[in-house]
Amino acid sequence: DSGVTQTPKHLITATGQRVTLRCSPRSGDLSVYWYQQSLDQGLQFLIQYYNGEERAKGNILERFSAQQFPDLHSELNLSSLELGDSALYFCASSVEPQLSSGNTIYFGEGSWLTVV
Amino acid sequence: GDSVTQMEGPVTLSEEAFLTINCTYTATGYPSLFWYVQYPGEGLQLLLKATKADDKGSNKGFEATYRKETTSFHLEKGSVQVSDSAVYFCALSFMDSSYKLIFGSGTRLLVRP
Repeated sequence: DSGVTQTPKHLITATGQRVTLRCSPRSGDLSVYWYQQSLDQGLQFLIQYYNGEERAKGNILERFSAQQFPDLHSELNLSSLELGDSALYFCASSVEPQLSSGNTIYFGEGSWLTVV
Repeated sequence: GDSVTQMEGPVTLSEEAFLTINCTYTATGYPSLFWYVQYPGEGLQLLLKATKADDKGSNKGFEATYRKETTSFHLEKGSVQVSDSAVYFCALSFMDSSYKLIFGSGTRLLVRP
């Protein structure tokens, strides 16, 4: 158990709908990351937050948005869903926002999203 | 842009066989390199890492050496076990303001008894 908690574990929804994925980071971790793992695009970085502020942005679609709340949990909002959005969405956390010798990223078990 | 290339899977081995999973990278600077493992139904776990050229990362019998001259970070294990069956991801990151990881496509390893 990494200590990163993601809900829901599985979600099935229809095209055009909107969903929210939730992530609770490890205790003490201030930085949260979202990744998408799909069959055609592999594992891609979406976005990073640190202590409530956006830190870095990757290949995140405009239909997707995220935020980190004062209690440090994060939510990833996916709207106008398309079949191609079906994927495993990972949340990860770390103490510090940047790579350093003592800083490690811990991943949650992911949220499976199926769009039908 | 920066990228990671891994050998296609699945790799199927018998227990106690020698494992090599190839990984090469393309990067504009000097990245740190990682191997992550994903067991069935679980999230990714850091297996090992190396932060500069000629560094060797090791953990649980797995090893990988950062080869700058060949831009490679091949994963090796001398004797695999059934419990090593998983998907292995090579990744890179830079020491800048963000800890974003760039992953390869993953290599599935199946170890048969």
